[in-house]
Amino acid sequence: AQKVTQAQTEISVVEKEDVTLDCVYETRDTTYYLFWYKQPPSGELVFLIRRNSFDEQNEISGRYSWNFQKSTSSFNFTITASQVVDSAVYFCALSEANTGNQFYFGTGTSLTVIP
Amino acid sequence: DAGITQSPRYKITETGRQVTLMCHQTWSHSYMFWYRQDLGHGLRLIYYSAAADITDKGEVPDGYVVSRSKTENFPLTLESATRSQTSVYFCASSVLETEQFFGPGTRLTVL
Repeated sequence: AQKVTQAQTEISVVEKEDVTLDCVYETRDTTYYLFWYKQPPSGELVFLIRRNSFDEQNEISGRYSWNFQKSTSSFNFTITASQVVDSAVYFCALSEANTGNQFYFGTGTSLTVIP
Repeated sequence: DAGITQSPRYKITETGRQVTLMCHQTWSHSYMFWYRQDLGHGLRLIYYSAAADITDKGEVPDGYVVSRSKTENFPLTLESATRSQTSVYFCASSVLETEQFFGPGTRLTVL
């Protein structure tokens, strides 16, 4: 079974629109970590955020914000006032405390911001 | 330079040949990982290592061999390359319970 599901394969928005990327995870562990990575067209993987299972506070970093809800096993990512530079593939990942730091990645969401 | 590097960045080989992808990190991170990225599959773990001389299989290990004699190096060998191993390969490193840092990737084509 897929541990991390990113149901949105591709999203297109017009510049300055807000967009939310969904991530649903599955784990039986009480201690786990969630991550978001960005992969721009140049191909590198850029770390965006790490969240542990005991910290449900939402986080905001500039135009980026993350909504972690254990009740729905979701860790959604919102980009406010999107820009062309936000065009990338975004990956959500899960790491469980008892699995040697293995990451389980979702299949990614490809975001295109249209100028 | 500090960080994590992969070589070569691009490789074309033929079916049946052995090829080794190199990964080197300068942070002395204990954990290292190899992933392959294919359209529609995201990143899939091939092998990982928790420390020198300790390696373990990931989700898709068949056809691959790894070794880790030194903390900083984690080579990935395709013993007899097949067309299905055409992919982009990423190496990553981390310490426990933190984010993984990724290398720039190696694009491998098997003809």
